[in-house]
This record gives sequence, C-alpha cells and structure tokens, in this order.
Amino acid sequence: GIQVEQSPPDLILQEGANSTLRCNFSDSVNNLQWFHQNPWGQLINLFYIPSGTKQNGRLSATTVATERYSLLYISSSQTTDSGVYFCAVEAINNNDMRFGAGTRLTVKP
Amino acid sequence: NAGVTQTPKFQVLKTGQSMTLQCAQDMNHNSMYWYRQDPGMGLRLIYYSASEGTTDKGEVPNGYNVSRLNKREFSLRLESAAPSQTSVYFCASLVRYALNQPQHFGDGTRLSIL
Repeated sequence: GIQVEQSPPDLILQEGANSTLRCNFSDSVNNLQWFHQNPWGQLINLFYIPSGTKQNGRLSATTVATERYSLLYISSSQTTDSGVYFCAVEAINNNDMRFGAGTRLTVKP
Repeated sequence: NAGVTQTPKFQVLKTGQSMTLQCAQDMNHNSMYWYRQDPGMGLRLIYYSASEGTTDKGEVPNGYNVSRLNKREFSLRLESAAPSQTSVYFCASLVRYALNQPQHFGDGTRLSIL
C-alpha cells in the first residue's frame, strides 16, 4: 500500500510563531486530507487537498501532487492549536485511506 | 445532525470474549472505514467499505470481521478478543465521487481487553 511519512514528529512552538508541517507520500493520490486530533482525541478535518492550495483563517495547505508532498502551514500559532496533525492519503485506483504517524504540536503560552 | 455515531464509547472485555462495535452515519456517504489508534501512534486501517455491498481489508485486518449492513451502518466484530486489540477504534465515512471528499470521524470507542 501507499506509504505516508510526516515530519517533524514533534514540534514545540511559542505562541505567535509560525510553522510548516510536511507530508510525503509514495504514490499518486486522488485524495489527501489534513486532520487535527485535539487533546480529547477528536479528529477534525482541516483540508481536503489532493492538489493545489487552500486557506482557512490562520491555516493553509499546499499539495504538489507531481512531487508527492503536501505542506500544512500554521501562522500566529495559539495554544488551542496544540495536538496531533495527521496527513491521510488515498492512492489512485485504490479506496483505502492511509494515515501518516502524525506531527505532535505543542504551543506554549 | 449527528454525523458519524459510534457505540459503545467505552468497553472492557476479557480475553476470548467477542463483541461488535457499531457505527452509523447519517450523511448518505458511500464509503466507510474502521481504524485503530494505539497510544502515541497514528491511525491504522483495519477494514473499509468503498460502497454498500463491498468490504476490503486494510493494513491490520487480522482478528477482525466487518459487515456493511446497509448504506448507513458498518460494524466491526472481534470474535475472540486479545490484549493486543486494546486500542481506540474510530469509524469514518466519506462521500465518494464528489468535488470535495472530506472524511468524517466518530468520537471513537475505547476498548480495553484484560
């Protein structure tokens, strides 16, 4: 199956700082998503982004499908941004959605 | 608007017992998924159902069975529970063949096997 690698595995920021999270994948995809898992364990969909760029408030994401990577940008981070960020992908001609191991983000006040 | 509903939220089993985790979605989604998440780790796909009437194995299917009862419901069964199956189980759904296909998750079932 498709391989998904996320980096960095852990990230500690001061409130107000910016950050970039990366997701590399091993095959062509027809679905790529970014999720945030909050401290209570809930998974919240941030972006559906198999290609191109999207923005939602302080968050934005870019997927370069031809080079098999996606980036999640968090600007002016807040303590409520803390949690684990997952990238999930679905390979073309396949229907299973695979997750990376995640990036654990801690934003300190 | 409930979204994806999982029952139960918590369960403790003894080794060798069986149980079924239930999942239902009210968004008319085609595809449904079962994942497990072990402490400090990402989600691993157990089984999925791309559409009503089909089911397929994911990364870690051993020890589990699934049933896509209808378009709304997708259940996961542990026939003979083992301590290695202690985990948080998430159900998810997705609408296929749409311009925007975000995956929606339930709140999870925390399962402990003693």
